[in-house]
Amino acid sequence: GAVVSQHPSRVICKSGTSVKIECRSLDFQATTMFWYRQFPKKSLMLMATSNEGSKATYEQGVEKDKFLINHASLTLSTLTVTSAHPEDSSFYICSAGPSGNTIYFGEGSWLTVV
Amino acid sequence: QKEVEQDPGPLSVPEGAIVSLNCTYSNSAFQYFMWYRQYSRKGPELLMYTYSSGNKEDGRFTAQVDKSSKYISLFIRDSQPSDSATYLCAMSGEGAAGNKLTFGGGTRVLVKP
Repeated sequence: GAVVSQHPSRVICKSGTSVKIECRSLDFQATTMFWYRQFPKKSLMLMATSNEGSKATYEQGVEKDKFLINHASLTLSTLTVTSAHPEDSSFYICSAGPSGNTIYFGEGSWLTVV
Repeated sequence: QKEVEQDPGPLSVPEGAIVSLNCTYSNSAFQYFMWYRQYSRKGPELLMYTYSSGNKEDGRFTAQVDKSSKYISLFIRDSQPSDSATYLCAMSGEGAAGNKLTFGGGTRVLVKP
Protein backbone atom coordinates (compact mmCIF):
# COMPACT_ATOMS: atom_id res chain seq x y z
CA GLY A 1 0.00 0.00 0.00
CA ALA A 2 0.87 3.64 -0.20
CA VAL A 3 3.43 4.84 2.30
CA VAL A 4 3.70 8.09 4.17
CA SER A 5 6.88 8.67 6.11
CA GLN A 6 7.60 11.12 8.90
CA HIS A 7 10.88 12.29 10.32
CA PRO A 8 12.03 12.54 13.04
CA SER A 9 10.03 9.98 14.96
CA ARG A 10 11.12 11.52 18.22
CA VAL A 11 12.64 14.91 19.03
CA ILE A 12 13.52 16.77 22.19
CA CYS A 13 14.12 20.49 22.02
CA LYS A 14 14.71 23.34 24.43
CA SER A 15 12.00 25.83 25.19
CA GLY A 16 12.18 28.80 22.84
CA THR A 17 13.75 26.95 19.95
CA SER A 18 12.09 25.80 16.72
CA VAL A 19 11.77 22.28 15.45
CA LYS A 20 10.89 20.99 11.99
CA ILE A 21 9.00 17.78 11.22
CA GLU A 22 8.96 16.34 7.70
CA CYS A 23 6.21 14.35 6.03
CA ARG A 24 6.91 12.54 2.76
CA SER A 25 4.76 10.53 0.41
CA LEU A 26 7.08 7.78 -0.78
CA ASP A 27 5.30 6.26 -3.75
CA PHE A 28 2.70 8.79 -4.81
CA GLN A 29 2.29 12.50 -5.32
CA ALA A 30 0.19 14.41 -2.83
CA THR A 31 -1.17 17.85 -3.61
CA THR A 32 -2.76 17.85 -0.19
CA MET A 33 -1.39 16.65 3.12
CA PHE A 34 -2.87 16.95 6.58
CA TRP A 35 -1.27 17.64 9.94
CA TYR A 36 -2.78 16.34 13.17
CA ARG A 37 -1.98 16.57 16.81
CA GLN A 38 -2.88 13.87 19.27
CA PHE A 39 -2.93 14.08 23.04
CA PRO A 40 -2.59 10.93 25.18
CA LYS A 41 -5.64 8.68 24.94
CA LYS A 42 -7.40 11.19 22.75
CA SER A 43 -8.40 11.13 19.11
CA LEU A 44 -6.67 12.99 16.32
CA MET A 45 -7.13 16.74 16.14
CA LEU A 46 -6.76 18.24 12.67
CA MET A 47 -4.43 21.22 12.80
CA ALA A 48 -4.13 22.25 9.16
CA THR A 49 -4.39 21.23 5.55
CA SER A 50 -1.15 21.58 3.63
CA ASN A 51 -1.58 22.55 -0.02
CA GLU A 52 1.24 22.14 -2.53
CA GLY A 53 2.33 25.49 -3.90
CA SER A 54 -0.04 27.58 -1.80
CA LYS A 55 -0.75 28.57 1.77
CA ALA A 56 -1.91 26.04 4.30
CA THR A 57 -5.43 26.15 5.64
CA TYR A 58 -5.52 26.18 9.42
CA GLU A 59 -8.30 24.92 11.65
CA GLN A 60 -9.95 27.27 14.05
CA GLY A 61 -7.85 27.89 17.13
CA VAL A 62 -4.55 26.80 15.57
CA GLU A 63 -1.94 29.57 15.47
CA LYS A 64 -0.55 29.82 11.95
CA ASP A 65 2.51 31.77 13.14
CA LYS A 66 3.23 29.12 15.72
CA PHE A 67 2.85 26.12 13.44
CA LEU A 68 4.41 26.97 10.09
CA ILE A 69 3.57 24.63 7.24
CA ASN A 70 5.42 24.47 3.94
CA HIS A 71 4.38 22.17 1.11
CA ALA A 72 7.10 22.92 -1.40
CA SER A 73 6.83 19.78 -3.52
CA LEU A 74 4.32 17.07 -4.35
CA THR A 75 6.00 14.64 -1.99
CA LEU A 76 7.06 16.78 0.97
CA SER A 77 5.31 18.87 3.58
CA THR A 78 7.01 20.28 6.66
CA LEU A 79 5.61 21.44 9.98
CA THR A 80 7.79 23.84 11.97
CA VAL A 81 6.88 24.47 15.59
CA THR A 82 8.31 27.90 16.30
CA SER A 83 9.42 29.16 19.70
CA ALA A 84 8.36 25.88 21.21
CA HIS A 85 7.07 25.70 24.77
CA PRO A 86 6.39 22.70 27.00
CA GLU A 87 2.67 22.88 26.19
CA ASP A 88 3.56 22.16 22.55
CA SER A 89 4.83 18.74 23.59
CA SER A 90 2.64 16.25 21.78
CA PHE A 91 2.36 13.57 19.12
CA TYR A 92 2.19 15.10 15.66
CA ILE A 93 0.99 13.00 12.71
CA CYS A 94 0.68 13.76 9.03
CA SER A 95 -1.51 12.07 6.44
CA ALA A 96 -1.87 11.99 2.67
CA GLY A 97 -3.42 9.81 0.00
CA PRO A 98 -2.85 8.83 -3.63
CA SER A 99 -6.50 9.44 -4.39
CA GLY A 100 -9.09 11.72 -2.95
CA ASN A 101 -10.45 9.41 -0.33
CA THR A 102 -7.79 6.86 0.58
CA ILE A 103 -5.75 8.43 3.32
CA TYR A 104 -2.62 7.00 4.90
CA PHE A 105 -0.86 8.23 8.00
CA GLY A 106 2.77 8.67 8.83
CA GLU A 107 4.36 6.98 11.80
CA GLY A 108 4.04 10.12 13.89
CA SER A 109 6.56 12.38 15.58
CA TRP A 110 6.87 12.72 19.33
CA LEU A 111 7.88 16.22 20.35
CA THR A 112 9.09 16.93 23.86
CA VAL A 113 9.91 20.51 24.78
CA VAL A 114 12.04 20.87 27.89
CA GLN B 1 -23.49 16.41 19.54
CA LYS B 2 -20.36 15.20 17.77
CA GLU B 3 -20.49 14.48 14.06
CA VAL B 4 -19.16 10.97 14.63
CA GLU B 5 -19.84 9.03 17.80
CA GLN B 6 -17.77 6.04 18.90
CA ASP B 7 -17.82 4.22 22.22
CA PRO B 8 -14.40 4.72 23.84
CA GLY B 9 -14.39 1.31 25.52
CA PRO B 10 -12.29 -0.36 26.67
CA LEU B 11 -13.68 -3.46 25.01
CA SER B 12 -12.16 -6.59 26.49
CA VAL B 13 -12.59 -9.96 24.75
CA PRO B 14 -10.98 -13.39 25.07
CA GLU B 15 -8.65 -14.56 22.33
CA GLY B 16 -10.58 -16.12 19.44
CA ALA B 17 -13.75 -14.12 20.04
CA ILE B 18 -15.34 -11.76 17.54
CA VAL B 19 -14.68 -8.09 18.15
CA SER B 20 -17.58 -5.85 17.17
CA LEU B 21 -16.99 -2.14 16.76
CA ASN B 22 -19.30 0.57 15.51
CA CYS B 23 -19.75 4.27 14.86
CA THR B 24 -22.76 6.45 14.28
CA TYR B 25 -22.71 9.71 12.41
CA SER B 26 -24.99 12.62 11.68
CA ASN B 27 -23.72 14.09 8.39
CA SER B 28 -25.56 12.51 5.44
CA ALA B 29 -22.90 13.90 3.07
CA PHE B 30 -20.37 11.30 4.20
CA GLN B 31 -19.73 8.81 1.42
CA TYR B 32 -16.35 7.26 2.28
CA PHE B 33 -15.85 5.24 5.42
CA MET B 34 -12.60 3.99 6.88
CA TRP B 35 -11.36 2.05 9.85
CA TYR B 36 -7.90 2.62 11.26
CA ARG B 37 -5.97 0.69 13.87
CA GLN B 38 -3.61 2.60 16.12
CA TYR B 39 -1.11 0.98 18.42
CA SER B 40 0.16 2.97 21.36
CA ARG B 41 2.58 5.71 20.34
CA LYS B 42 2.25 4.92 16.61
CA GLY B 43 0.46 6.50 13.65
CA PRO B 44 -2.92 5.05 12.55
CA GLU B 45 -2.86 2.19 10.06
CA LEU B 46 -5.58 1.94 7.42
CA LEU B 47 -7.49 -1.33 7.81
CA MET B 48 -10.63 -1.02 5.71
CA TYR B 49 -12.02 1.44 3.22
CA THR B 50 -15.62 1.41 1.98
CA TYR B 51 -17.55 3.62 -0.36
CA SER B 52 -21.26 4.18 0.31
CA SER B 53 -23.39 1.39 1.76
CA GLY B 54 -22.51 -2.27 1.76
CA ASN B 55 -20.14 -4.85 3.17
CA LYS B 56 -16.47 -5.44 2.55
CA GLU B 57 -14.37 -8.32 3.75
CA ASP B 58 -10.60 -8.59 4.01
CA GLY B 59 -9.19 -11.60 5.81
CA ARG B 60 -10.42 -11.53 9.40
CA PHE B 61 -11.93 -8.06 8.99
CA THR B 62 -15.43 -7.19 7.80
CA ALA B 63 -16.67 -3.64 7.41
CA GLN B 64 -20.33 -2.77 7.07
CA VAL B 65 -21.93 0.53 6.17
CA ASP B 66 -25.63 1.31 6.54
CA LYS B 67 -26.12 4.82 5.25
CA SER B 68 -29.88 4.75 5.88
CA SER B 69 -29.17 4.34 9.60
CA LYS B 70 -25.92 6.34 9.53
CA TYR B 71 -24.19 3.42 11.17
CA ILE B 72 -20.93 1.65 10.36
CA SER B 73 -19.39 -1.45 11.86
CA LEU B 74 -16.13 -3.35 11.91
CA PHE B 75 -15.94 -7.00 12.88
CA ILE B 76 -12.72 -8.81 13.69
CA ARG B 77 -12.99 -12.61 13.63
CA ASP B 78 -10.70 -14.96 15.52
CA SER B 79 -9.25 -12.08 17.50
CA GLN B 80 -5.62 -12.25 18.57
CA PRO B 81 -3.72 -10.48 21.35
CA SER B 82 -1.95 -8.54 18.58
CA ASP B 83 -5.32 -7.00 17.71
CA SER B 84 -5.19 -5.10 21.01
CA ALA B 85 -5.15 -1.47 19.93
CA THR B 86 -7.34 1.57 19.51
CA TYR B 87 -9.66 1.44 16.51
CA LEU B 88 -10.71 4.68 14.88
CA CYS B 89 -13.53 5.12 12.43
CA ALA B 90 -13.22 7.95 9.94
CA MET B 91 -15.36 9.29 7.15
CA SER B 92 -15.40 11.92 4.45
CA GLY B 93 -17.60 13.40 1.77
CA GLU B 94 -17.33 13.79 -2.00
CA GLY B 95 -15.36 16.27 -4.04
CA ALA B 96 -13.28 18.97 -2.44
CA ALA B 97 -14.31 17.80 1.00
CA GLY B 98 -13.27 14.28 0.17
CA ASN B 99 -9.79 14.44 1.61
CA LYS B 100 -10.77 15.83 4.97
CA LEU B 101 -11.52 13.07 7.43
CA THR B 102 -13.85 13.30 10.39
CA PHE B 103 -12.88 10.84 13.12
CA GLY B 104 -14.65 9.05 15.88
CA GLY B 105 -13.01 9.22 19.27
CA GLY B 106 -11.63 5.68 18.99
CA THR B 107 -12.42 2.44 20.81
CA ARG B 108 -9.73 0.76 22.85
CA VAL B 109 -9.75 -3.00 22.37
CA LEU B 110 -8.00 -5.52 24.59
CA VAL B 111 -7.79 -9.16 23.48
CA LYS B 112 -6.81 -11.36 26.38
CA PRO B 113 -4.83 -14.56 25.75
